Amino acid sequence: GESVGLHLPTLSVQEGDNSIINCAYSNSASDYFIWYKQESGKGPQFIIDIRSNMDKRQGQRVTVLLNKTVKHLSLQIAATQPGDSAVYFCAERYSSASKIIFGSGTRLSIRP
Amino acid sequence: DAEITQSPRHKITETGRQVTLACHQTWNHNNMFWYRQDLGHGLRLIHYSYGVQDTNKGEVSDGYSVSRSNTEDLPLTLESAASSQTSVYFCASRKDRAAGELFFGEGSRLTVL
Repeated sequence: GESVGLHLPTLSVQEGDNSIINCAYSNSASDYFIWYKQESGKGPQFIIDIRSNMDKRQGQRVTVLLNKTVKHLSLQIAATQPGDSAVYFCAERYSSASKIIFGSGTRLSIRP
Repeated sequence: DAEITQSPRHKITETGRQVTLACHQTWNHNNMFWYRQDLGHGLRLIHYSYGVQDTNKGEVSDGYSVSRSNTEDLPLTLESAASSQTSVYFCASRKDRAAGELFFGEGSRLTVL
């Protein structure tokens, strides 16, 4: 698999605690937002998405919050586990072109 | 199972050579994308295609080209490789423009010496 040793912001969380990863997006016209998880040596994998007409969406152990006023997105992971250790990217879909643009990512590190 | 595959997974080449990275998906997805991933930049969009014979430039398209002659494949070509193009390249696909989720390949690491 492939990965890069990105110099990313790192969030260090105790195993079992909740994690909150934040993202600022750029385009006020974006209509759809996605969180991806990238484990070492692999391509990004879809976690959860949210449309711009919503402000919250919940999945299994994950919740995404959207604040369009300040163009902010957050990913909350409940009861963080060692398997959650990865780089997390937010992405936005520019509605006019439907292309997907990624943020710079956050590395989540889990302390035992 | 349907999948998306990239080849080669690792490539070392010299400045000025032409390089082609292959991407093949078996989901019959209309949309395909190429991204590069570098230190401090995350994933940046190079080119994308919404269907056969359709190609579009992304944020960092200079020095790259793509062609879409069928649904399954979107090869990425570096006409004259430069050291600045040393990176990890990811191909992705989705069903259509209304779909959000992208499905990614495992990546191709390219080193240009």
